[in-house]
Amino acid sequence: EDKVVQSPLSLVVHEGDTVTLNCSYEVTNFRSLLWYKQEKKAPTFLFMLTSSGIEKKSGRLSSILDKKELFSILNITATQTGDSAVYLCAVLGGYKYIFGTGTRLKVLA
Amino acid sequence: GAVVSQHPSRVICKSGTSVKIECRSLDFQATTMFWYRQFPKQSLMLMATSNEGSKATYEQGVEKDKFLINHASLTLSTLTVTSAHPEDSSFYICSADGRGGMNTEAFFGQGTRLTVV
Repeated sequence: EDKVVQSPLSLVVHEGDTVTLNCSYEVTNFRSLLWYKQEKKAPTFLFMLTSSGIEKKSGRLSSILDKKELFSILNITATQTGDSAVYLCAVLGGYKYIFGTGTRLKVLA
Repeated sequence: GAVVSQHPSRVICKSGTSVKIECRSLDFQATTMFWYRQFPKQSLMLMATSNEGSKATYEQGVEKDKFLINHASLTLSTLTVTSAHPEDSSFYICSADGRGGMNTEAFFGQGTRLTVV
């Protein structure tokens, strides 16, 4: 059975800290791995990763994929209170997206 | 980026009635749309995959007669919750991609919070 597991489930940090969120997967017909940020409503897209070892970066956020070890990490440096959200990892396998449990991040001022 | 519009954003209905939720792709043709359900503090659970012009593919445990999905055009899919009960109260989100799921991000609608009283 396909599965996507994220860790930690929740995390509380202070502004300025750096956090690393993990996503491991076992999905047949892997095509890509995606990271989303969900605040109150619909998830917003952060990154899509298809190749191992190539870091994707957007401001203070970066992500990398390891297709051999079947995991990805999402790094957030110099965290801000606006980074507080649930971060979802999804894997596109075959024709559908399988979502992880999410990591709930809370950044304290 | 591509825009997916979901309507309504919030609905309250009486137990036993049916509710229709619409999901539209505004600036691209969505060959495939996905319907998810999300319980509080939980992740998105895929309910069904909707392909234009064909029957939806439901995930295990999802009642197809209760959650009717219609994907009549390349820009519109609808989810109808029939004979709603309080346990159907949840957050429903649709997503769409324009290339049949081939290495593309999923674009999400705004979600619909359904409350059945």
